Amino acid sequence: AQRVTQPEKLLSVFKGAPVELKCNYSYSGSPELFWYVQYSRQRLQLLLRHISRESIKGFTADLNKGETSFHLKKPFAQEEDSAMYYCALSGQSGANNLFFGTGTRLTVIP
Amino acid sequence: DSGVTQTPKHLITATGQRVTLRCSPRSGDLSVYWYQQSLDQGLQFLIQYYNGEERAKGNILERFSAQQFPDLHSELNLSSLELGDSALYFCASSQYSGLTGELFFGEGSRLTVL
Repeated sequence: AQRVTQPEKLLSVFKGAPVELKCNYSYSGSPELFWYVQYSRQRLQLLLRHISRESIKGFTADLNKGETSFHLKKPFAQEEDSAMYYCALSGQSGANNLFFGTGTRLTVIP
Repeated sequence: DSGVTQTPKHLITATGQRVTLRCSPRSGDLSVYWYQQSLDQGLQFLIQYYNGEERAKGNILERFSAQQFPDLHSELNLSSLELGDSALYFCASSQYSGLTGELFFGEGSRLTVL
């Protein structure tokens, strides 16, 4: 069965410090992974997907199949990065739903 | 605003009652997804419709049902409500029937069952 684990409910870092939000998944096949973000008073929105291998707003995430992880990283945190971050898994290419983790609330301290 | 619209934003009702949550997808999107987010839980997938037809089903209770109408808006019906049904219900839409990874979410409907 698919499962996404985000071990940290809350994470606080100082502005300019590196940040890493952890995500581990459980899936027997080849997963597609995503990070969604919800800023204050805004809707949940896609941040990035592993298949695109892109950097969005300075964030990157690498799929590590050996460790079944998809941690989100940014070298220098900014105050505007404060938000709720959700890791999500799609079990099959073209599958019709996403499995979400419970989310991590990131607070960047000025 | 051509984004996903959900009504009502807040709803308070009693156990045993029935409620209907409504969702209008983004203009041009044919797929609608419903998710439930309970306290300290991630978003749980309930059901998906594509162009009026049910496409995928998740952990949706038998007391819950949904449909998508010809104008593509969707309704989630929750009946015989229990305290544990209190949650934030999100609707999301996408253009395609299969998942491309990007869902566009509404602001959610917060249901409180007393």
